[in-house]
Amino acid sequence: GNSVTQMEGPVTLSEEAFLTINCTYTATGYPSLFWYVQYPGEGLQLLLKATKADDKGSNKGFEATYRKETTSFHLEKGSVQVSDSAVYFCALGGSGNTGKLIFGQGTTLQVKP
Amino acid sequence: DTAVSQTPKYLVTQMGNDKSIKCEQNLGHDTMYWYKQDSKKFLKIMFSYNNKELIINETVPNRFSPKSPDKAHLNLHINSLELGDSAVYFCASSPTSVRNSPLHFGNGTRLTVT
Repeated sequence: GNSVTQMEGPVTLSEEAFLTINCTYTATGYPSLFWYVQYPGEGLQLLLKATKADDKGSNKGFEATYRKETTSFHLEKGSVQVSDSAVYFCALGGSGNTGKLIFGQGTTLQVKP
Repeated sequence: DTAVSQTPKYLVTQMGNDKSIKCEQNLGHDTMYWYKQDSKKFLKIMFSYNNKELIINETVPNRFSPKSPDKAHLNLHINSLELGDSAVYFCASSPTSVRNSPLHFGNGTRLTVT
């Protein structure tokens, strides 16, 4: 079945460091891919998405490119801030329209000043 | 003007009790969901309703019963609570008429069963 695998956390970085959080997926068909962010005590918010191969999603300085050949959707940011500290989830959407998402296990990011 | 709101935010109860969590969305979406997040942050879908009809029912004990009185509300009732039910439960919604539309999540209900 479909699945998503993210790198284990926690990831601890200093402010202004470069961030990469790896995400790979297994799926049939042509799923959409998403990154969600969860700040402490809150629900998940969409960070960015990509709906087809080679699409690049971007938002708030974060980017991820849908790579079909490597079945990956790695999240990157050139210079992290303390306010980026959160849990990041990679998710796989179905090719249909049920809205069902399959989430990775989440990666906790802690940015220190 | 909260988009997806859940109540209560925290719920502490004893084993064997019955409890309900309520969810309402004011986004005009026609599909609503319940997700469970365990202590390791892993998220898994439980149920999905589209226009008050159940469309996704994952392998969830039948002690869990969702109810959707209208497309803006989706409640979750849990009978005979067990220790393993302790988790954070998230309600979400989306417009199924828009392909690949993201889910909008509530802030969660932290259920603790003692």
